[in-house]
Amino acid sequence: AQRVTQPEKLLSVFKGAPVELKCNYSYSGSPELFWYVQYSRQRLQLLLRHISRESIKGFTADLNKGETSFHLKKPFAQEEDSAMYYCALPIMNTGFQKLVFGTGTRLLVSP
Amino acid sequence: EAQVTQNPRYLITVTGKKLTVTCSQNMNHEYMSWYRQDPGLGLRQIYYSMNVEVTDKGDVPEGYKVSRKEKRNFPLILESPSPNQTSLYFCASSPTSGRYNEQFFGPGTRLTVL
Repeated sequence: AQRVTQPEKLLSVFKGAPVELKCNYSYSGSPELFWYVQYSRQRLQLLLRHISRESIKGFTADLNKGETSFHLKKPFAQEEDSAMYYCALPIMNTGFQKLVFGTGTRLLVSP
Repeated sequence: EAQVTQNPRYLITVTGKKLTVTCSQNMNHEYMSWYRQDPGLGLRQIYYSMNVEVTDKGDVPEGYKVSRKEKRNFPLILESPSPNQTSLYFCASSPTSGRYNEQFFGPGTRLTVL
């Protein structure tokens, strides 16, 4: 079954510390993965996607097909990074996209 | 401003009283979708729509209906709400249903069914 797993509900770090939010997936085809972020009192928005190979707000994510992972990393966390982070896997079903989300990880960055 | 809007933002209702949550986008997107967000479960897709008059079930469609009579609107209908439909609901849209497309989300509707 297609599934996205985010094992940590809460990740608490101090400002300046490295951050890694874990995401593992189960998908039989060639995966395309996203990270979405929800800041307090804001709507859910795209942070980055695998296909773009980009770094957004200092965050990067590498797709590891061997480990079926797409962990989100940042070398030095900032207080403004505190938010809810969701890993998402688009699945094509009869030509239409379904987006499967993980359960989310709340990142709390303390001063 | 390009955006997805939802109304109402907050709603408290009673069991069995039909309600509709509206969703509208002004970006001429073909693809629209509804999700519910519950603690510990993340976001789960309720229904989605590829284009006008084309809809399909997501993972948790029971108790919900949708319609897509116009490209910009995708209302979510609860014919007979029950307490287990108390949740935070998000509407989203994207240009097409392609795998690489970003989905743009509305601000959410918090529904409480008593």
